[in-house]
Amino acid sequence: EVQLVQSGAEVKKPGESLKISCKGSGYSFTSYWIGWVRQMPGKGLEWMGIIYPGDSDTRYSPSFQGQVTISADKSISTAYLQWSSLKASDTAMYYCARPRIGEREYYFDYWGQGTLVTVSS
Amino acid sequence: SYELTQPPSVSVSPGQTARITCSGDALPKQYAYWYQQKPGQAPVLVIYKDSERPSGIPERFSGSSSGTTVTLTISGVQAEDEADYYCQSADSSGTYPAVFGGGTKLTVL
Repeated sequence: EVQLVQSGAEVKKPGESLKISCKGSGYSFTSYWIGWVRQMPGKGLEWMGIIYPGDSDTRYSPSFQGQVTISADKSISTAYLQWSSLKASDTAMYYCARPRIGEREYYFDYWGQGTLVTVSS
Repeated sequence: SYELTQPPSVSVSPGQTARITCSGDALPKQYAYWYQQKPGQAPVLVIYKDSERPSGIPERFSGSSSGTTVTLTISGVQAEDEADYYCQSADSSGTYPAVFGGGTKLTVL
């Protein structure tokens, strides 16, 4: 059974750094892309970017390029999303999800449970 | 950036048919996907490649495509179908390979 298990909720202050995680199991972690999706409070879904753990190839949405860093440690089947300096506007639920990518195909077939990040002074 | 447009809300009575639309200029060239999200839960894929249904998704969920509009149809709506529904597709340039619509709140009256 494919599972994506995310780290727990975080409460941080503006300017602090943060790294949240997503551990994959039940499939070959290095053979599939894995991505991150943001959902701000009461709002819709936004694709942030993806990484291929096999070779660390990383793609970012133009909206998030330079704002976050996506990485992965294939030895422990875990992907990460990190911020160097959080802002209040980073307050959101963050989901990791496994994208299926092919010719004309790009969709998310498995999702993590979400990590709530709250940034407040 | 590329946008997909959904109605903010749709309401139906139990047993009726709900139709949720999603419009986008690139939809004639790109597949569309639909996700169901219930309060406090992660999204769940209910339709992929315009009209395919993943295993475990009830047959009452179906998808169709016509020009720049795709439609999620839920036949014989049940109370448990009350949720937010998001369409997702890509722009034609590849700059935004995953774009989500704004979401539609389905209310079962």
